[in-house]
Amino acid sequence: GAGVSQTPSNKVTEKGKYVELRCDPISGHTALYWYRQSLGQGPEFLIYFQGTGAADDSGLPNDRFFAVRPEGSVSTLKIQRTERGDSAVYLCASSHDARSNEQFFGPGTRLTVL
Amino acid sequence: DAKTTQPNSMESNEEEPVHLPCNHSTISGTDYIHWYRQLPSQGPEYVIHGLTSNVNNRMASLAIAEDRKSSTLILHRATLRDAAVYYCILRDANYGGSQGNLIFGKGTKLSVKP
Repeated sequence: GAGVSQTPSNKVTEKGKYVELRCDPISGHTALYWYRQSLGQGPEFLIYFQGTGAADDSGLPNDRFFAVRPEGSVSTLKIQRTERGDSAVYLCASSHDARSNEQFFGPGTRLTVL
Repeated sequence: DAKTTQPNSMESNEEEPVHLPCNHSTISGTDYIHWYRQLPSQGPEYVIHGLTSNVNNRMASLAIAEDRKSSTLILHRATLRDAAVYYCILRDANYGGSQGNLIFGKGTKLSVKP
């Protein structure tokens, strides 16, 4: 079956602009996670959804970052007033539910802020 | 969350076994040991997990020390496709809320020589 997909695969933007990154989880997966990975580092947790609600957003670095999952499936990570330090690969993962042992990751979106 | 310690890098020869160590001296009784790997330019991929007993699956084996303060991921015959960063992660069995997300370290970069 189809895995987790993320669009776009690459996004180049200018400092100060607004960007949206999309994640399509595996069908039927109720838990969805966003991570951010800087060069040479492991992925860093941002936010986690169980269904439509954000169960934990403690990893969002500041209020420029926001994520939604209005229908409990597709999720969008939104970044306002982008800064060069936001440049990273943004990874999405889904699992059947929060208690599942395995998270399935998408290929990521590489965001470059010039 | 308890932390893990892994070597930064390891090398292996193709078709030989590889033992990837992980120290987790502050592990709690409810922490599962998870391993993920990340191939170049891809999102992380689940490998295996365990609690106390050694575990085997089609990808690898997980050997857990009796005191659970360390574990070893075993690839029985390394192939060139096994070249990746391997992450050892502790995850509380009481999943849900902030304990659902994965906390990645820097992992071990495995190189496989033909």
